[in-house]
Amino acid sequence: DVKVTQSSRYLVKRTGEKVFLECVQDMDHENMFWYRQDPGLGLRLIYFSYDVKMKEKGDIPEGYSVSREKKERFSLILESASTNQTSMYLCASSLSMYRDKGYTFGSGTRLTVV
Amino acid sequence: GQNIDQPTEMTATEGAIVQINCTYQTSGFNGLFWYQQHAGEAPTFLSYNVLDGLEEKGRFSSFLSRSKGYSYLLLKELQMKDSASYLCAVGVYSNSGYALNFGKGTSLLVTP
Repeated sequence: DVKVTQSSRYLVKRTGEKVFLECVQDMDHENMFWYRQDPGLGLRLIYFSYDVKMKEKGDIPEGYSVSREKKERFSLILESASTNQTSMYLCASSLSMYRDKGYTFGSGTRLTVV
Repeated sequence: GQNIDQPTEMTATEGAIVQINCTYQTSGFNGLFWYQQHAGEAPTFLSYNVLDGLEEKGRFSSFLSRSKGYSYLLLKELQMKDSASYLCAVGVYSNSGYALNFGKGTSLLVTP
């Protein structure tokens, strides 16, 4: 089975800090995605990537950036964390040829910005 | 833009059948997905429809009507472990590429 691993389950950071959320997948998937999930708002797409060094903005990219230097790793960066970025962050990956398999999600990182 | 609607909450009895509806308005439609998410866990893939009709997979079935922008997830012989949030997601092609847009989820409570 594909495994998507997010490095931290829980994080607490201070306002203004630069925050790195790491995601690694082990099945050579081309596509990787970052979502945030908030009560009453569902999952919202922040950024996605179809290949190494490629990135595309999702619906809510403001305040975030990403890095994909290697195929298996997709990092989400909060340049200057703010309290409204307190959320559950979910990473996902997919194999582009088999869309009917959907995404595989990581377990999530619950980030609290104080 | 994308608009995906599903009920916020539903309650059903163990052993019963429940249908969770999802309506969508989108451009670049390419597939309708259902995911299950238990509290505190990651979403897991349940089903995929790209053509009209019913797809059956054990106790779970999913239906799609592209002309009506409508899908439903049918859960039969409900079990307590089916209490979870069910997420409807639409696969969309845009200038940026292909990604899933999710509805806000339906929280299903199964009672004894």
